[in-house]
Amino acid sequence: TQLLEQSPQFLSIQEGENLTVYCNSSSVFSSLQWYRQEPGEGPVLLVTVVTGGEVKKLKRLTFQFGDARKDSSLHITAAQPGDTGLYLCAENTTSGGYNKLIFGAGTRLAVHP
Amino acid sequence: NAGVTQTPKFRILKIGQSMTLQCAQDMNHNYMYWYRQDPGMGLKLIYYSVGAGITDKGEVPNGYNVSRSTTEDFPLRLELAAPSQTSVYFCASSYSWGGKQPQHFGDGTRLSIL
Repeated sequence: TQLLEQSPQFLSIQEGENLTVYCNSSSVFSSLQWYRQEPGEGPVLLVTVVTGGEVKKLKRLTFQFGDARKDSSLHITAAQPGDTGLYLCAENTTSGGYNKLIFGAGTRLAVHP
Repeated sequence: NAGVTQTPKFRILKIGQSMTLQCAQDMNHNYMYWYRQDPGMGLKLIYYSVGAGITDKGEVPNGYNVSRSTTEDFPLRLELAAPSQTSVYFCASSYSWGGKQPQHFGDGTRLSIL
């Protein structure tokens, strides 16, 4: 069974700081998605990465997919309180003839004013 | 623009009681999913459906049942509630399978079994 490990588990920073969170697997990802979940709400998709070495930017968020497609990172520049939430990575896997998403446990980020 | 709607938002059950968590989507998605989210454990897939009349087990199906009589609705049934089923339950839908397709989530049902 493929295991997704996210680190750190918790992160508490001040507004304006930069941060990076990581998602690692024991196997090669076919593709990877990053979601953000705010308290009391469901996860919302931020980005999908597919190609090894791929870099995608979403305003102050930069997503990178490792060359070997076994790891990914999310870098936030000049964090703001609105970035507070749970960041989840999810990998597409095939089992029983159907594709499914397997989620990591997430990184819980708190950005303080 | 409702998306995925889950009801109820909160519920407290006694051990052994039964209930149905409702999920409806208005995006005409064929694929629907039920997850549970426990603290520090991420999202675990309970059941999924690839279309009306077709359902299958996910990672943690024990103690739950589902049905899919229409494209829009995908209810989750707990027959004999147990404390281990205390969790936050999320329903999601997607246009198709595959890692490039986003899953659209509801806001969850927070369930406590006492």
